Amino acid sequence: DIQMTQSPPSLSASLGDKVTITCQASQNINKYIAWYQQKPGKAPRQLIRYTSTLVSGTPSRFSGSGSGRDYSFSISNVESEDIASYYCLQYDNLYTFGAGTKLELK
Amino acid sequence: QIQLVQSGPELKKPGESVKISCKASGYTFTDYAMHWVKQAPGKGLKWMGWINTYTGKPTYADDFKGRFVFSLEASASTANLQISNLKNEDTATYFCASEGVLLYWGQGVMVTVSS
Repeated sequence: DIQMTQSPPSLSASLGDKVTITCQASQNINKYIAWYQQKPGKAPRQLIRYTSTLVSGTPSRFSGSGSGRDYSFSISNVESEDIASYYCLQYDNLYTFGAGTKLELK
Repeated sequence: QIQLVQSGPELKKPGESVKISCKASGYTFTDYAMHWVKQAPGKGLKWMGWINTYTGKPTYADDFKGRFVFSLEASASTANLQISNLKNEDTATYFCASEGVLLYWGQGVMVTVSS
């Protein structure tokens, strides 16, 4: 089974900051990674798939990159509506979520 | 528009069973796989497995083999999750999500297991 190591577990940012979350897979996942945003009491929302493809409706301040085992997700110019938890998901071999990152306001 | 509507919250005792439904609309049901995801209170997302909505074949993640059953009522565009012999650690919100990369999500069903 593929394991996904997501970091950091939590992140504190000011409005307008750039933040970056990373996920490292236990093996090459061939860019098959997606990123989700989840707000309390809500279902997750997919933001990015296949490493860097923005899903329809995802603001351009969100971005993703990476290859092989190492991937990152960034939010430039953090806005108040971005306060949420974020998860990576590998879908190269079955599916595995990362442990999540909680983004809070500083 | 595509919607997944799940059944309501459940309160069960240890050892009982529960069946959760997920009704899809806005697309051809058999076009997309249906996944199930568990989220324990205050914890992260855990992929439970998926069911091929065309063939009915389920695939379970290792931690969800045995007491968990995915099924379909294709004529009603509905996927079901049944959990038997409930344990306290099954207390969680269970989401259905459709499409190969879990693009569309239900609202989640809270299952509480308590004596």
